[in-house]
Amino acid sequence: RKEVEQDPGPFNVPEGATVAFNCTYSNSASQSFFWYRQDCRKEPKLLMSVYSSGNEDGRFTAQLNRASQYISLLIRDSKLSDSATYLCVVNIPSGRDDKIIFGKGTRLHILP
Amino acid sequence: ETGVTQTPRHLVMGMTNKKSLKCEQHLGHNAMYWYKQSAKKPLELMFVYSLEERVENNSVPSRFSPECPNSSHLFLHLHTLQPEDSALYLCASSQRATGAIDGYTFGSGTRLTVV
Repeated sequence: RKEVEQDPGPFNVPEGATVAFNCTYSNSASQSFFWYRQDCRKEPKLLMSVYSSGNEDGRFTAQLNRASQYISLLIRDSKLSDSATYLCVVNIPSGRDDKIIFGKGTRLHILP
Repeated sequence: ETGVTQTPRHLVMGMTNKKSLKCEQHLGHNAMYWYKQSAKKPLELMFVYSLEERVENNSVPSRFSPECPNSSHLFLHLHTLQPEDSALYLCASSQRATGAIDGYTFGSGTRLTVV
């Protein structure tokens, strides 16, 4: 099983719809989780951290399910500008230094 | 001046060339990183420098040679590359080398094509 796994998509979603995607991780010792957004030919940028209690930032909601070892990202009332690749990032404690594992990303296309 | 600046933005080089990628951060961070992003693959960590000392080298071929002269500058020297080395090379910095991925700031990357 891969350390961090995401559905590559693409998810083609009409503007205004709600879309959700998950990311599974294999190491139960994983401690920190994040969603990054990467626009085409641009660098990744932090979208939001994922807390145990779940967190919401405007139209975006991130949740963590430790029992099933996955995190999710929900986008409500999607906008054309939400089109991007969403990277799941997992921080795994590993001896002296942590391991940061990136997923391959899920591509999202918002259709007008 | 953006937080992390990478030059050049694009680079095309032959397999026998020698070139260098440059990264500069203006955030006062203590750790800097080189990542490689190939098509359809996740970001791969190549090198980590903390306080100018290399703390991680993820089995990267010797044709990639990093250099960190001070905590604000990071270079990646390239020589005798292969076409499969064509990728987006991203530099990042953070306050410290362990954890805190949310504290990472990425540069815009150098898109490298090896011909």
